[in-house]
Amino acid sequence: AQKVTQAQTEISVVEKEDVTLDCVYETRDTTYYLFWYKQPPSGELVFLIRRNSFDEQNEISGRYSWNFQKSTSSFNFTITASQVVDSAVYFCALSELANNLFFGTGTRLTVIP
Amino acid sequence: EAQVTQNPRYLITVTGKKLTVTCSQNMNHEYMSWYRQDPGLGLRQIYYSMNVEVTDKGDVPEGYKVSRKEKRNFPLILESPSPNQTSLYFCASSFWGPGNIQYFGAGTRLSVL
Repeated sequence: AQKVTQAQTEISVVEKEDVTLDCVYETRDTTYYLFWYKQPPSGELVFLIRRNSFDEQNEISGRYSWNFQKSTSSFNFTITASQVVDSAVYFCALSELANNLFFGTGTRLTVIP
Repeated sequence: EAQVTQNPRYLITVTGKKLTVTCSQNMNHEYMSWYRQDPGLGLRQIYYSMNVEVTDKGDVPEGYKVSRKEKRNFPLILESPSPNQTSLYFCASSFWGPGNIQYFGAGTRLSVL
């Protein structure tokens, strides 16, 4: 059965610090997809990134970077030089061959000015 | 503008009074889904639809009904709401196929008294 674990329930950092959000997943499929979504205080869910199981290249997008490691079943998300606007709940999610998304329980990030 | 529209955004009702939350998308997506978000539990899938007239249960379908008579609409029906259905509900849509990005509506906050 599929499972996504985000062990960090809440994280607080001071502005400009780097922060890493952890995501560990379980799946029996060899083909799967991993996602990160952001939920700002306004409540909507915003798509950030998608990776497939065959592409372990790490990715950087501005201040955001993602580290996908199949060996440890992890898909971690790092924000460099955090800003107050990064304060949100971040969800990691997994989908297999169907479209259904399985979410972790989320990590609430608070960036203190 | 491409979007998923949910209505209403906020709803307070009483136990047993039937209600419908509407969801509409304008992206010609085949796949639509309903999730509920509860503190500490992340998002859990209620029902999903792979196309018109094709629906299936997610992880927490009890107490809910759905229908998909048109491609763009996917209403969520609570025939006899109970307090344990107080939650934040999200509708999402995507193209059918593995790994497609799901786009979410703004959410409906439901309180059942």
